[in-house]
Amino acid sequence: DQQVKQNSPSLSVQEGRISILNCDYTNSMFDYFLWYKKYPAEGPTFLISISSIKDKNEDGRFTVFLNKSAKHLSLHIVPSQPGDSAVYFCAARGDTGRRALTFGSGTRLQVQP
Amino acid sequence: NAGVTQTPKFRVLKTGQSMTLLCAQDMNHEYMYWYRQDPGMGLRLIHYSVGEGTTAKGEVPDGYNVSRLKKQNFLLGLESAAPSQTSVYFCASSYDGLGDEQYFGPGTRLTVT
Repeated sequence: DQQVKQNSPSLSVQEGRISILNCDYTNSMFDYFLWYKKYPAEGPTFLISISSIKDKNEDGRFTVFLNKSAKHLSLHIVPSQPGDSAVYFCAARGDTGRRALTFGSGTRLQVQP
Repeated sequence: NAGVTQTPKFRVLKTGQSMTLLCAQDMNHEYMYWYRQDPGMGLRLIHYSVGEGTTAKGEVPDGYNVSRLKKQNFLLGLESAAPSQTSVYFCASSYDGLGDEQYFGPGTRLTVT
């Protein structure tokens, strides 16, 4: 059973518009969430994170929102640029003693010029 | 800094053959991880290490072994390769395992025929 779900396999937006990528989780013990970006033939790279004690974290064009009651987080990219086209993975950390992350299946974002 | 490097980048094995994937990091990170990425499934943790000389099982450890004889290296072994192990393998490292940003290598694409 997937504990971290990204239900949209793909998303297409126009350059300059907002991109919203969504992620849902089921494990209430997750306390830290991260977004990674992945280009083809490369490893994932860290983008932005948020602790469960916050509901928003912003870094330039990227903002992550966390709704703990709904077990939902989202990544907003404003404005979207063609270079943002990549696969975005949502990841979560739990306190089960496993010192690693649980990843969602990814959303492929295509930003059209 | 080279960051996290992986050797080899590509490999084709026949069923039953063995091989070792090498991961090296030059950031003096304590924690290292091996993930596999399969279509539609995101990244799944195979094994991880919380320090030199230690290893632990992740979500999908069967058919794999690991060793961490030196802090900077983390080896993933396949003793008897199976077609189900066809995947892209990513190594990652982090300063600590508590959700700290993980740095990923470029990946190894393995095909087992």
